[in-house]
Amino acid sequence: DAGVTQSPTHLIKTRGQQVTLRCSPKSGHDTVSWYQQALGQGPQFIFQYYEEEERQRGNFPDRFSGHQFPNYSSELNVNALLLGDSALYLCASSRGKRDRGLNEQYFGPGTRLTVT
Amino acid sequence: AQSVTQLGSHVSVSEGALVLLRCNYSSSVPPYLFWYVQYPNQGLQLLLKYTTGATLVKGINGFEAEFKKSETSFHLTKPSAHMSDAAEYFCAVGRSSNTGKLIFGQGTTLQVKP
Repeated sequence: DAGVTQSPTHLIKTRGQQVTLRCSPKSGHDTVSWYQQALGQGPQFIFQYYEEEERQRGNFPDRFSGHQFPNYSSELNVNALLLGDSALYLCASSRGKRDRGLNEQYFGPGTRLTVT
Repeated sequence: AQSVTQLGSHVSVSEGALVLLRCNYSSSVPPYLFWYVQYPNQGLQLLLKYTTGATLVKGINGFEAEFKKSETSFHLTKPSAHMSDAAEYFCAVGRSSNTGKLIFGQGTTLQVKP
């Protein structure tokens, strides 16, 4: 059973560019959450997608947007990249309907984004 | 609002010694509490979780944590440290009615000395 997968593993972008990160949830999961983990910090919640809609959002600017596809996979898009966007971006999947309230999230290995 | 404070950004123990990683939380509603471990260049792996019921929770790799409501704490312990336990540990809080947002602490790096 494949767990949560993310692509690419590493990415280097220039300030002002746009980036798209991808996530495939664990089999049987329909909810995807995205987190940003800056160096030496704990992950911070960006947003969560369920049934192809953004269900909840953290304190991140509109430059951060996402999408969920009918197969439950998800993309995170960041526009007008800033140096401060350099971080490890983690995707987590869970079951949105059943097991509601358990919040047991399975994390992928992350995408390391470096903005120069 | 919810928040998590992990006391001690770095903890160093000798192999075979007790591991104690401290976590205090703040929550206006009954919390769900989690400990995750992160090895270098990897994602987060769930060690254990508290939702309801028994306050002493046992997890993987010999770790356990006790939910103490009066102290708003959820400290992680392991009786005997192993070299392979060296990693970053994160405590997180979620809401029982929440759809999935987790609030993480800053993390504690555990060093295990031979």
